[in-house]
Amino acid sequence: DAGVIQSPRHEVTEMGQEVTLRCKPISGHDYLFWYRQTMMRGLELLIYFNNNVPIDDSGMPEDRFSAKMPNASFSTLKIQPSEPRDSAVYFCASTTPLAGGYNEQFFGPGTRLTVL
Amino acid sequence: AQKVTQAQTEISVVEKEDVTLDCVYETRDTTYYLFWYKQPPSGELVFLIRRNSFDEQNEISGRYSWNFQKSTSSFNFTITASQVVDSAVYFCALSEAGGGGNKLTFGTGTQLKVEL
Repeated sequence: DAGVIQSPRHEVTEMGQEVTLRCKPISGHDYLFWYRQTMMRGLELLIYFNNNVPIDDSGMPEDRFSAKMPNASFSTLKIQPSEPRDSAVYFCASTTPLAGGYNEQFFGPGTRLTVL
Repeated sequence: AQKVTQAQTEISVVEKEDVTLDCVYETRDTTYYLFWYKQPPSGELVFLIRRNSFDEQNEISGRYSWNFQKSTSSFNFTITASQVVDSAVYFCALSEAGGGGNKLTFGTGTQLKVEL
C-alpha cells in the first residue's frame, strides 16, 4: 500500500493567492478527513467525507475554505484567498470501519503551508 | 461534546527511565474509541493503539503499555525503558460511535524528550 498521498509537501504563497492542497486516500477507504495543525489550536478537524459526500464541514473556518471529493481516489482542499493565519500543516487521513466497529485513521505526510 | 485532555505539555526524561503520558477524556456516549498517535520530529502521525469502550483490558506491546480505566475516564500510556527514538509528540484521541463517523477529537499532545 502506498499510504495516503498528499501534494504538495510544502507550499509557500503570498497573501491573497489561491492555494489547492491535494489528497489521494488509501484504496478502498470510504472515509476521508482533512485536519489542520497549528501551535495555537492543535489538531482540528476541518471536514470529512463518506463515500465522496461531505458529512460534516463544521470545522471549516470560513467561506474562504472549500473541499471537494470528485471521486473515491481524490480530494482537494482549497483556500481562496489565502491569509497569513492560514499557515499550518494540513493533514489528510482516510479509513474504513472494521466489521462491527471503527478503525484507526491513516494519515498522510501533511502539507506545510506558509502564507506570506 | 467530547473532549480530550492531556495535561502534560512537555516531559523530559533520561534514557532508560519509565514515563507515563496521561490522557483524560469526556464523552456522553457509552460506545466510543480511544487512540494514541505518535508524531516524531519528521511530522507524520503514526498510529499506536486503538481501544473500544467495552474493552478495559490493559495492553502491552513491547516497551509500550496502555492502561484504560472507564471509572476515571483515563487512557494512559507508559513507555518502559525509554529511548531517544521515543522523543516525539504523543496525541490521545477520542472517536464517538454513531452519527459522527470516525472523526477524531485530539488532545493537545504531550511533547516527550528523552535525553542520553
